[in-house]
Amino acid sequence: GAGVSQSPRYKVAKRGQDVALRCDPISGHVSLFWYQQALGQGPEFLTYFQNEAQLDKSGLPSDRFFAERPEGSVSTLKIQRTQQEDSAVYLCASSPVGNSNQPQHFGDGTRLSIL
Amino acid sequence: GESVGLHLPTLSVQEGDNSIINCAYSNSASDYFIWYKQESGKGPQFIIDIRSNMDKRQGQRVTVLLNKTVKHLSLQIAATQPGDSAVYFCAEKGAAGNKLTFGGGTRVLVKP
Repeated sequence: GAGVSQSPRYKVAKRGQDVALRCDPISGHVSLFWYQQALGQGPEFLTYFQNEAQLDKSGLPSDRFFAERPEGSVSTLKIQRTQQEDSAVYLCASSPVGNSNQPQHFGDGTRLSIL
Repeated sequence: GESVGLHLPTLSVQEGDNSIINCAYSNSASDYFIWYKQESGKGPQFIIDIRSNMDKRQGQRVTVLLNKTVKHLSLQIAATQPGDSAVYFCAEKGAAGNKLTFGGGTRVLVKP
């Protein structure tokens, strides 16, 4: 079956531009997560949705980062006024239900490079 | 392609030998643990998980051991194959939330 799909796979932007990253979770999955992975490090949590509700955004590094999931399926992570330190791989993950001990399934990420 | 984990600890293992990857976790309240495998240019791939009420779980060629006393997790891979070459991450989930907290990762290199 189809896994988590992310687009674009690569994004290059100039410092100061806005970017939008898309995540299509596994069909029917209630929970959706965004993580940021710097080169050579493990993923770090950004935000979590249960259906359309954003239940945890404690990992968003600044108010330039914004995520939404308006219909409880596809999610978009938007970064405004990008800076060089935003360069990283942005990973999306989904899991079947909320508030349970089940594995999160990851997409292949969007590699963002800010020039 | 780009490399995940340029400065990670590296475990070199001969093809056919067993591999053991270790992970120390920090939160004594964590109730769920997962091992992921990440190949270059790809997202983390689920390998095996274990809940805090267990101390061992086995899958196909993999075993996870959990020692809550010393907050230690390990992944054993039996008969390591070239396709096992990747970066391996452990992750923990706190009882109160849903987010995963990842460890620093270990690169496994399988020598033919």
